[in-house]
Amino acid sequence: GNSVTQMEGPVTLSEEAFLTINCTYTATGYPSLFWYVQYPGEGLQLLLKATKADDKGSNKGFEATYRKETTSFHLEKGSVQVSDSAVYFCALSEGNYQLIWGAGTKLIIKP
Amino acid sequence: DVKVTQSSRYLVKRTGEKVFLECVQDMDHENMFWYRQDPGLGLRLIYFSYDVKMKEKGDIPEGYSVSREKKERFSLILESASTNQTSMYLCASSLELTPVYNEQFFGPGTRLTVL
Repeated sequence: GNSVTQMEGPVTLSEEAFLTINCTYTATGYPSLFWYVQYPGEGLQLLLKATKADDKGSNKGFEATYRKETTSFHLEKGSVQVSDSAVYFCALSEGNYQLIWGAGTKLIIKP
Repeated sequence: DVKVTQSSRYLVKRTGEKVFLECVQDMDHENMFWYRQDPGLGLRLIYFSYDVKMKEKGDIPEGYSVSREKKERFSLILESASTNQTSMYLCASSLELTPVYNEQFFGPGTRLTVL
């Protein structure tokens, strides 16, 4: 079946460091891919998405490119801030109602 | 601003109690979802509803039921709470079910502890 695998956390970085959070997926067709973010004490919110191969989603300085050949959708940011500390979830949706979620990666940014 | 609200942020109940978790959305969305979130497991779908009075089981419906009498409100019911239902419960809603428009909007969650 479909699945999403994320790198285990927590990931701890210093402010202004480069961020990569890996996400790979398995799917039978052509899914849409999403990154959601959960800030402390808040509900999840959509960060970015990509709906077809080679699409790049971007928002708030974060980017992710839909790579069909490597079945990946890695999240990147060039210079992280303390306010980026949160839990990041990768998810896919294919052909039906359901979002298939990764386990989440906790990101801690130290000043 | 779109909004999904949940009735409680924290809840403590005893084993065997009947528990109601309420969720309200103000976006006129057709679809509403209940998830539980556990460390290392991500989000797992319990139930969802695609219309008033309509519901479908998700991946882990055992021990839960739901009710949707009005479009804006979706309730999760634990008929007889057990300690393994201690978890964070998240409600979400979406306009469409199809992948391209499948953005889900989430409430802040209810952290339920069953003693």
